[in-house]
Amino acid sequence: AQSVTQLGSHVSVSEGALVLLRCNYSSSVPPYLFWYVQYPNQGLQLLLKYTSAATLVKGINGFEAEFKKSETSFHLTKPSAHMSDAAEYFCAVTGNFGNEKLTFGTGTRLTIIP
Amino acid sequence: DARVTQTPRHKVTEMGQEVTMRCQPILGHNTVFWYRQTMMQGLELLAYFRNRAPLDDSGMPKDRFSAEMPDATLATLKIQPSEPRDSAVYFCASGADRTSNEQFFGPGTRLTVL
Repeated sequence: AQSVTQLGSHVSVSEGALVLLRCNYSSSVPPYLFWYVQYPNQGLQLLLKYTSAATLVKGINGFEAEFKKSETSFHLTKPSAHMSDAAEYFCAVTGNFGNEKLTFGTGTRLTIIP
Repeated sequence: DARVTQTPRHKVTEMGQEVTMRCQPILGHNTVFWYRQTMMQGLELLAYFRNRAPLDDSGMPKDRFSAEMPDATLATLKIQPSEPRDSAVYFCASGADRTSNEQFFGPGTRLTVL
């Protein structure tokens, strides 16, 4: 069984400040991990994914995440927040067989303060 | 620009009516997923197909929900009869194969059952 826990349902940061969204996973098999972003009234868009290659993964829009097996974490970061980053972010896990069902976290709503 | 399409985008219906949602996966993708998003439950998998065969529909209420893939370019999710608790956004996603791991989401169908 696999699951992810996102700490903090709401996160607010000032424009230009560091963004840190936390995700911890639980998996009985080597996981594949994903971060998706959802803008209001839209579907989910993939930000980045970890598939057992490099532990530091770079994604779109300046986001990156680091897979830390010892901490079972896959936190999402961005050095400098932009107003356009305001959205809901979901961490998700799947088994490493590919295209198995995604198990999502509860989401973190990111607000950017001007 | 290949993308998953869903119709209708919005649907308002009365309790007891039949609702059919349609999804066109990205051409060449052989795996199709149906997710439901609500404020209370978040994102949850309802069912998924590989090569048009259902692999897992354990998340779907069997008495009223049904999912099919009449052909490789069309997936349908039907609710009969609909109930107010079915009000949610329903997402379809598609994936290419077991090595890609990435799921591409459609824009969703927002269903309101009165």
